[in-house]
Amino acid sequence: GEDVEQSLFLSVREGDSSVINCTYTDSSSTYLYWYKQEPGAGLQLLTYIFSNMDMKQDQRLTVLLNKKDKHLSLRIADTQTGDSAIYFCAEKNNFNKFYFGSGTKLNVKP
Amino acid sequence: SAVISQKPSRDICQRGTSLTIQCQVDSQVTMMFWYRQQPGQSLTLIATANQGSEATYESGFVIDKFPISRPNLTFSTLTVSNMSPEDSSIYLCSVEDRSNTGELFFGEGSRLTVL
Repeated sequence: GEDVEQSLFLSVREGDSSVINCTYTDSSSTYLYWYKQEPGAGLQLLTYIFSNMDMKQDQRLTVLLNKKDKHLSLRIADTQTGDSAIYFCAEKNNFNKFYFGSGTKLNVKP
Repeated sequence: SAVISQKPSRDICQRGTSLTIQCQVDSQVTMMFWYRQQPGQSLTLIATANQGSEATYESGFVIDKFPISRPNLTFSTLTVSNMSPEDSSIYLCSVEDRSNTGELFFGEGSRLTVL
């Protein structure tokens, strides 16, 4: 499969911004995604970005894509304790296959 | 959106046995994907199940260990053969949103524990 890499942990204080980073290797990626998984639950799609876009904003979420460096980030503004979860970066390649990163566990401290 | 039903939802299996997981989708889809999520880890794509042709397997996964059937556009099965404790995992069936923007819809998963 393709390589999609993320740092494993991030800890922030409530009200701060969180930035979760992801790098990928496949230059044929068509879409890139951020999924959220809460403990014991399934994966929930948060947002996605088409590969020819640089940025997408959706309420508290901002996705930045640097296609040259194959770097994707998710910024969560005003992070809340309810945002504590594992966040997975994923990419879809030109064969319509999806590959997931290792996940970043976000811990939000009150 | 797509509604995906998987069964069994969980099972405890003995080493050396095989178990077949079923996945039913409420709409016709071209490709169905089988993933594995081992404890505390990410999702790993096992194979893509295509109707009318052989499944395509990712590196590290082989048909003898994970045979897949895809008899029609709404149903697929994944068998985990000759299980060992290392196969203890959640197995997830998924399909892509019809708009092809790529939201993956997941079944609730089948949690297998191999003793």
